Amino acid sequence: DGGITQSPKYLFRKEGQNVTLSCEQNLNHDAMYWYRQDPGQGLRLIYYSQIVNDFQKGDIAEGYSVSREKKESFPLTVTSAQKNPTAFYLCASSINRGVGETQYFGPGTRLLVL
Amino acid sequence: AQTVTQSQPEMSVQEAETVTLSCTYDTSESDYYLFWYKQPPSRQMILVIRQEAYKQQNATENRFSVNFQKAAKSFSLKISDSQLGDAAMYSCYQGGSEKLVFGKGTKLTVNP
Repeated sequence: DGGITQSPKYLFRKEGQNVTLSCEQNLNHDAMYWYRQDPGQGLRLIYYSQIVNDFQKGDIAEGYSVSREKKESFPLTVTSAQKNPTAFYLCASSINRGVGETQYFGPGTRLLVL
Repeated sequence: AQTVTQSQPEMSVQEAETVTLSCTYDTSESDYYLFWYKQPPSRQMILVIRQEAYKQQNATENRFSVNFQKAAKSFSLKISDSQLGDAAMYSCYQGGSEKLVFGKGTKLTVNP
């Protein structure tokens, strides 16, 4: 079955620690996205990538980093510079970054700070 | 700044009844699409319906339809014959060439 997988489902971060969230897709999509979801707020775009080895900052990129070495994979690192990382993180992909392309979402990762 | 506003944080509907969720948006882009996504308790976002802004005809998908008023920048979602499985958070989303903007969501409860 084609789809998007995210792991882990839950992730715990200690103070000063970097953590990496995994996102993999087998839909052969060129574009991939990372969103953050907080209670009472809409999804906010962290980073997106239109093609391998290229990515663009979204609205809230500070404290986060990404890489896109393979078409199928778009991992997100939450660095120690992100002071309030507790949130639900959603990865998505679309055929390309064209206007109107439907985004398909993974099941999400819940990040909690210890 | 481009914004998407959902003025109803929560709504409820009786099973088999009809409910309308509202969404207004503000954009400077001329080329964009509008979407409604559903997020059930599992929290995975699922596409409900999609509207091309250059089309006047309102999109319809089975029990789901939209009322798109471009001049008023309004994009409401109507759910007919509501079912228990429709209970979810519904998010309005505007996708353009420059910005991708989600609303804060409306939590829909369906009462048996």
